[in-house]
Amino acid sequence: AQSVTQLDSQVPVFEEAPVELRCNYSSSVSVYLFWYVQYPNQGLQLLLKYLSGSTLVKGINGFEAEFNKSQTSFHLRKPSVHISDTAEYFCAVSDHNTDKLIFGTGTRLQVFP
Amino acid sequence: GAGVSQSPRYKVAKRGQDVALRCDPISGHVSLFWYQQALGQGPEFLTYFQNEAQLDKSGLPSDRFFAERPEGSVSTLKIQRTQQEDSAVYLCASSLGGGRDTQYFGPGTRLTVL
Repeated sequence: AQSVTQLDSQVPVFEEAPVELRCNYSSSVSVYLFWYVQYPNQGLQLLLKYLSGSTLVKGINGFEAEFNKSQTSFHLRKPSVHISDTAEYFCAVSDHNTDKLIFGTGTRLQVFP
Repeated sequence: GAGVSQSPRYKVAKRGQDVALRCDPISGHVSLFWYQQALGQGPEFLTYFQNEAQLDKSGLPSDRFFAERPEGSVSTLKIQRTQQEDSAVYLCASSLGGGRDTQYFGPGTRLTVL
């Protein structure tokens, strides 16, 4: 069965500092990988996704993620965060045989001035 | 264009009551998903439709949960005889097609069972 592990439940960081949110997955088959962001009282919004090809994926709001098959990881990065990036971030996986998403438990990014 | 909408946004039910949660997907989206998000957790898959066909209901926690999409557009998630453990945010998502396609999420319905 597939699973997703987000190692950090909370990540505090100062504004304009770099940040990395970690995500590891387990799956015995080829996967698609996603990062979603959830702002307070809003629905989930897609940041970026990896389907195939280049392992470095660029998304919205200056975020990027790198797919590492050997380490089964898909860490999310941003070189300089803003206060407005404060939100909950979810990593998710689906495989090529099913369409449902399996989510991690989320990482709360808190950006301080 | 309009995104995925859900109603009601908030629902309070007494234990034992039946509830119905509605999802209006993005027009033209073939696939529709329901997820349950407990407090402090990630969303968990409940069920999936392709047009009007319910292709996967493996995530429904009990036979008190029932979902339908009779005309391949609007979907309703019904919970019978609600229990306190049903309290959660219920998220609906739609996509154009299969697993490669982005799932667009609605704002969710927060269900509180007293």
